[in-house]
Amino acid sequence: RKEVEQDPGPFNVPEGATVAFNCTYSNSASQSFFWYRQDCRKEPKLLMSVYSSGNEDGRFTAQLNRASQYISLLIRDSKLSDSATYLCVVNGDPPGKLIFGQGTELSVKP
Amino acid sequence: EPEVTQTPSHQVTQMGQEVILRCVPISNHLYFYWYRQILGQKVEFLVSFYNNEISEKSEIFDDQFSVERPDGSNFTLKIRSTKLEDSAMYFCASSDTAPNQPQHFGDGTRLSIL
Repeated sequence: RKEVEQDPGPFNVPEGATVAFNCTYSNSASQSFFWYRQDCRKEPKLLMSVYSSGNEDGRFTAQLNRASQYISLLIRDSKLSDSATYLCVVNGDPPGKLIFGQGTELSVKP
Repeated sequence: EPEVTQTPSHQVTQMGQEVILRCVPISNHLYFYWYRQILGQKVEFLVSFYNNEISEKSEIFDDQFSVERPDGSNFTLKIRSTKLEDSAMYFCASSDTAPNQPQHFGDGTRLSIL
């Protein structure tokens, strides 16, 4: 099993659509979880941390299910500017080493 | 907003040469990292650095690689005797008070080995 596995994508959606990304991780001892976005050939940028209680930041909602080792990201009312690759990232054990998924590409069309 | 800065943005080097990639982490951050991303592949951890020593390193980070914090602001990655397969984007990152906190990435150095 891959350390961090994401939906392969790409996702092509119209503006205003709701899109969900899924991710699973293999190490049950992992303590912290993140979603980053990466624009073409640029650096990963932190989108949000993911907490067990779930958390929301504007149009973005992240969920964590530790029992299933599953992480999700929901984007509502998608914008053209949301087009990017979304990276599911797990902090390793011991923490400090980030383990990245392959990324899921999102393309939002007018 | 404070940011991690990296220089150069693009480095072209002949195979076998040594390169030094430079990073200035966010000023009050205590944990520093290097990652690389080969074109079309995922981001991979290389090394973490805290309190002037390596905390953890990956299998990629062999004797060819070294890191240094020569002064209070710079954090460098040295690659000796470069190989074609070292061609990649190299990202520096830093985090503040604990290694489980989010890491903030610089905009990377594109290393091309000819």
